[in-house]
Amino acid sequence: DAGVIQSPRHEVTEMGQEVTLRCKPISGHDYLFWYRQTMMRGLELLIYFNNNVPIDDSGMPEDRFSAKMPNASFSTLKIQPSEPRDSAVYFCASSPDPSGGGELFFGEGSRLTVL
Amino acid sequence: GDSVTQMEGPVTLSEEAFLTINCTYTATGYPSLFWYVQYPGEGLQLLLKATKADDKGSNKGFEATYRKETTSFHLEKGSVQVSDSAVYFCGAKTSYDKVIFGPGTSLSVIP
Repeated sequence: DAGVIQSPRHEVTEMGQEVTLRCKPISGHDYLFWYRQTMMRGLELLIYFNNNVPIDDSGMPEDRFSAKMPNASFSTLKIQPSEPRDSAVYFCASSPDPSGGGELFFGEGSRLTVL
Repeated sequence: GDSVTQMEGPVTLSEEAFLTINCTYTATGYPSLFWYVQYPGEGLQLLLKATKADDKGSNKGFEATYRKETTSFHLEKGSVQVSDSAVYFCGAKTSYDKVIFGPGTSLSVIP
């Protein structure tokens, strides 16, 4: 299996622009998680899905952020409009089932820089 | 709410030194607990896990024991190597399969 695939790996954009990050989970995994990593706040859970349905989006920082999972093999995290404080590494992770200690499989991350 | 706390870094050790990274959690019930490791430029990967009280997870010389009475899951290794230099994250699977992490602890091992 190719693992969790994220794109783009690096994105540099200007404040106010729309940013779309993409994730392809491992086939057969029912859960998908989006995390944001910064030096100041560490690794924050933004939102997670079970069978394409958002279960908890309480970590989404504000209305500028939105996430979708239109099917089992694709998810997007969108920021509109972007701000410099959104600069971070965004990770997507999938899991067959976290219950009982199921492992999360992480992508390599998307490094976002907003100027 | 649910949370995971771990010791702040960075931690710098000499090769073959003993490592301890403290981790405590706050959650309802008995969450599954994890340690993940992140090497430079990569995503996180599972290092070890424990799913119930008194379980010991172990892998690559690292160990951690699930202590319900102290709500802790401290990571230990008897003799670190330069290749262990990385960022270590303590995590917990809480209610509704939500997986949260501590802030991470950066470890540097010098020859």
